[in-house]
Amino acid sequence: DAMVIQNPRYQVTQFGKPVTLSCSQTLNHNVMYWYQQKSSQAPKLLFHYYDKDFNNEADTPDNFQSRRPNTSFCFLDIRSPGLGDAAMYLCATSRDLLAQGTDTQYFGPGTRLTVL
Amino acid sequence: AQSVTQPDIHITVSEGASLELRCNYSYGATPYLFWYVQSPGQGLQLLLKYFSGDTLVQGIKGFEAEFKRSQSSFNLRKPSVHWSDAAEYFCAVGARGGGNKLTFGTGTQLKVEL
Repeated sequence: DAMVIQNPRYQVTQFGKPVTLSCSQTLNHNVMYWYQQKSSQAPKLLFHYYDKDFNNEADTPDNFQSRRPNTSFCFLDIRSPGLGDAAMYLCATSRDLLAQGTDTQYFGPGTRLTVL
Repeated sequence: AQSVTQPDIHITVSEGASLELRCNYSYGATPYLFWYVQSPGQGLQLLLKYFSGDTLVQGIKGFEAEFKRSQSSFNLRKPSVHWSDAAEYFCAVGARGGGNKLTFGTGTQLKVEL
């Protein structure tokens, strides 16, 4: 089945130690998104890639970076995790950003990040 | 900017009872509206969506939602809840002309009593 895969499902890191979260998709979608979801809060969009074009949300801290080496993979890098970065990180894909909001986003299972 | 309010943080219903989860949105034009469900340890799964046309939308797992422009609402309903429906439910709005960005509500946690 076509799907969105996130690895690892659980990640523990130390304060200030760089960490990378991985997302892959077999849907061949053009757009990939990263969301941060803190406990009891709504998912918050960090950034997205439309093909190779990177689009950062205005309020996403510089501590968060992303890479998309090819259509299938997208990485979230947290350069110096703080305690406040502990959250669930959700990856999503959609076929076409130009669908102007009508395109469905498909989500992976998420990676729960713990910062010690 | 658009926003979504889900006024109920937690809801408990008995299995077999009907369910209604509330969602109110704020947006200057007709929005695109979505309901997603998140089971423990899982990602978000799309239940249904509204773009235009019939204001009563049918989704998966027996869910439906009704778009009411006058009330700025998009409430999710199910006539008979099953224990497996226990999960967190998120309402989201997508902006026309804003690419494909979604703004989510804070979610409603549904508990089903047997």
